[in-house]
Amino acid sequence: AQSVAQPEDQVNVAEGNPLTVKCTYSVSGNPYLFWYVQYPNRGLQFLLKYITGDNLVKGSYGFEAEFNKSQTSFHLKKPSALVSDSALYFCAVGYSSASKIIFGSGTRLSIRP
Amino acid sequence: ETGVTQTPRHLVMGMTNKKSLKCEQHLGHNAMYWYKQSAKKPLELMFVYNFKEQTENNSVPSRFSPECPNSSHLFLHLHTLQPEDSALYLCASSQDPRARETTDTQYFGPGTRLTVL
Repeated sequence: AQSVAQPEDQVNVAEGNPLTVKCTYSVSGNPYLFWYVQYPNRGLQFLLKYITGDNLVKGSYGFEAEFNKSQTSFHLKKPSALVSDSALYFCAVGYSSASKIIFGSGTRLSIRP
Repeated sequence: ETGVTQTPRHLVMGMTNKKSLKCEQHLGHNAMYWYKQSAKKPLELMFVYNFKEQTENNSVPSRFSPECPNSSHLFLHLHTLQPEDSALYLCASSQDPRARETTDTQYFGPGTRLTVL
């Protein structure tokens, strides 16, 4: 079955430290991977996606993610966290011949000053 | 702003009421989606419309009735809802549903926070 997992419900990081939000997936065929962010009382906002090509994808607000085919992962990273990065982050996966993408359960990122 | 608007932003209704949620996208997209977001649950896809035609109904109860009069507008008609239907309802759109592969980015509206009493 096709699936995406975010193993951490919550990630806590001090401001200025690097952050990582984890995502793993299981699909047949080529995966297409997305990260979205949701701020309080808002809809989901697109951050970045991997379709093909360079495994390191750069997105909005200084975020990047690395596609790792052997580990079936697509972790979201940022070298230096800001308090304003505190939000709910969703990983999502689409795949060949699929008509919809599958969202993970979300990871709440909390950046302390 | 993402180019997708939703009204109302908040809605409180009784179980016997009838109400509608509205979504409008200003992006020239051809696919529109309804999602339900409940606390502690993954995002649930409810309906997909491509070029005004419904292409996905994810086993949604009939008390939720979608309508897509054109590629820019999407409605969700609600009647005889249950308290467990209380959630954030998100609308999204994407560019080209004819693509065989799900590479299109979806753009989301801010959602309607629905409370069923």
